[in-house]
Amino acid sequence: ILNVEQSPQSLHVQEGDSTNFTCSFPSSNFYALHWYRWETAKSPEALFVMTLNGDEKKKGRISATLNTKEGYSYLYIKGSQPEDSATYLCAFIMGGGNRDDKIIFGKGTRLHILP
Amino acid sequence: EAGVTQFPSHSVIEKGQTVTLRCDPISGHDNLYWYRRVMGKEIKFLLHFVKESKQDESGMPNNRFLAERTGGTYSTLKVQPAELEDSGVYFCASRHLNTEAFFGQGTRLTVV
Repeated sequence: ILNVEQSPQSLHVQEGDSTNFTCSFPSSNFYALHWYRWETAKSPEALFVMTLNGDEKKKGRISATLNTKEGYSYLYIKGSQPEDSATYLCAFIMGGGNRDDKIIFGKGTRLHILP
Repeated sequence: EAGVTQFPSHSVIEKGQTVTLRCDPISGHDNLYWYRRVMGKEIKFLLHFVKESKQDESGMPNNRFLAERTGGTYSTLKVQPAELEDSGVYFCASRHLNTEAFFGQGTRLTVV
């Protein structure tokens, strides 16, 4: 059974503080790692698509790193704002060919920004 | 470019009835996925189509759920007969090789 683990499950952060959370995934048969942001009552939206070991991606105050050899990715949020409150999902894509692709989602980290 | 569309957006049915959900993926996306989120819980994989073929249906909970993707375009997910525990939000996502998954807005199914 392939597991994608995210920690912590839930996180409360004071507005203005920075935070980070983790996604752990199998280190074998890696193809890509995605991060999604999922606001309540909406559908998940992609933040980052990461494919190479050592990748670092950034979008505004949010950034992510990738270590495929040890099987983890970190998502960082700098200077948290109320609009950052959401569930952050990571997804592990195994395989690599069209027919082998399978997306395995973690359970998400629920981030609550406190005013 | 149109995104992934799902309909209906919301369906309320009685236990024992049949409901069919539809997903129209982004044109040209061979990969189509169905997921379900039950209230307050994580998103769970149901199945994965590659074109018209079921690549992986290991997440389908039981034989009351039937998914099809005739012609490799839109997909339907039928629940027959519906049970109370089937309530939740059903998401569809499509993806082309090497891209992220694009999600529809979901269908909120309520079985009463």
